[in-house]
Amino acid sequence: RKEVEQDPGPFNVPEGATVAFNCTYSNSASQSFFWYRQDCRKEPKLLMSVYSSGNEDGRFTAQLNRASQYISLLIRDSKLSDSATYLCVVNGEGTYKYIFGTGTRLKVLA
Amino acid sequence: DVKVTQSSRYLVKRTGEKVFLECVQDMDHENMFWYRQDPGLGLRLIYFSYDVKMKEKGDIPEGYSVSREKKERFSLILESASTNQTSMYLCASSPPGRAREQYFGPGTRLTVT
Repeated sequence: RKEVEQDPGPFNVPEGATVAFNCTYSNSASQSFFWYRQDCRKEPKLLMSVYSSGNEDGRFTAQLNRASQYISLLIRDSKLSDSATYLCVVNGEGTYKYIFGTGTRLKVLA
Repeated sequence: DVKVTQSSRYLVKRTGEKVFLECVQDMDHENMFWYRQDPGLGLRLIYFSYDVKMKEKGDIPEGYSVSREKKERFSLILESASTNQTSMYLCASSPPGRAREQYFGPGTRLTVT
């Protein structure tokens, strides 16, 4: 089993739709969680950290479910510019190492 | 804004050559990382450094070495390039402490022929 697993997609959604991605992780001792966005042929960029109580940044909401060991990302009112690959990143307890998922590709269609 | 720069966007080298990839960050970050990204495999950690002259192996260090002589600069060295090292190489830095957000450079697409 991979340490961090994501559905590769693509998720094709119309503009204005709400879309959600999940990411499961295998190490129950994981402490820190992030969502990154990566555009084609570009570097990953931090979208948001994921806090235990869940957090929101504009149209984006991140949730953590420790019992089931997954994090989620919800995007409301999708824009064409949201088209990208979304990477889930998990950091092990007390380590400098980050485990990246292989990403979920989102296409927002006009 | 944090800025992480990498010495080359595209590089073509021959098998057996020694290759240097340079990374510089301007935010006084203690932690720096080298990853490679391959289709279907995601980002894999090669080496990281949490201080000057300190380095730790990541998940795939074989065939690579690193150097960190100054805080802002972290170099990845391919001692003898091979075709299976053709990849996108990404450098990242993060603020002090563990489990902090990372900032990536634009990447170097290395082709070994």
